[in-house]
Amino acid sequence: NAGVMQNPRHLVRRRGQEARLRCSPMKGHSHVYWYRQLPEEGLKFMVYLQKENIIDESGMPKERFSAEFPKEGPSILRIQQVVRGDSAAYFCASFRATRQETQYFGPGTRLLVL
Amino acid sequence: TQLLEQSPQFLSIQEGENLTVYCNSSSVFSSLQWYRQEPGEGPVLLVTVVTGGEVKKLKRLTFQFGDARKDSSLHITAAQPGDTGLYLCAGVVAGGSYIPTFGRGTSLIVHP
Repeated sequence: NAGVMQNPRHLVRRRGQEARLRCSPMKGHSHVYWYRQLPEEGLKFMVYLQKENIIDESGMPKERFSAEFPKEGPSILRIQQVVRGDSAAYFCASFRATRQETQYFGPGTRLLVL
Repeated sequence: TQLLEQSPQFLSIQEGENLTVYCNSSSVFSSLQWYRQEPGEGPVLLVTVVTGGEVKKLKRLTFQFGDARKDSSLHITAAQPGDTGLYLCAGVVAGGSYIPTFGRGTSLIVHP
């Protein structure tokens, strides 16, 4: 996990508010995946980002969710108008362009929607 | 439908015992990874296997990739309390999407 940073580690929001989750990849990594994890479920893929480009967003709900990875700065996962069902742990993982199987995870953000 | 099935789902054993965790699929994978996740943390990569029949050892942990690259196992010898955690397998389907798919995990508790 060394090097992949996520913040905040814990986030509490009321229904209808916005949640912004940040991920700074390891040095030298220009690709990130975002995942969601619910208790007793495996990690579910949400979106695959390259700097300034969305490669695959097939796992992300079409409404309320968006993600970006700008040229400078962290990757952002944004959830608008949160609902209780959005409560989960959200992880990002970064990797080098040709080594998708070797991804390094951040510590995650635990989102709780009240 | 879960592409990767892990078993058992839960395992509670005493220190010093041996155990095996399984990861099975009907699909062929180009590579398969094993991770360990501790509460409140992200998964940590333990190993990647890519060749059918491959066996890798990491101290007391032995990983095997099936000959047909459809299944894998993780064997822990003389388990210790520090082995406690959620063990996840993940893989990339051969010739399919490059997106890794994860199993639901095996939750292991090793009692002192």
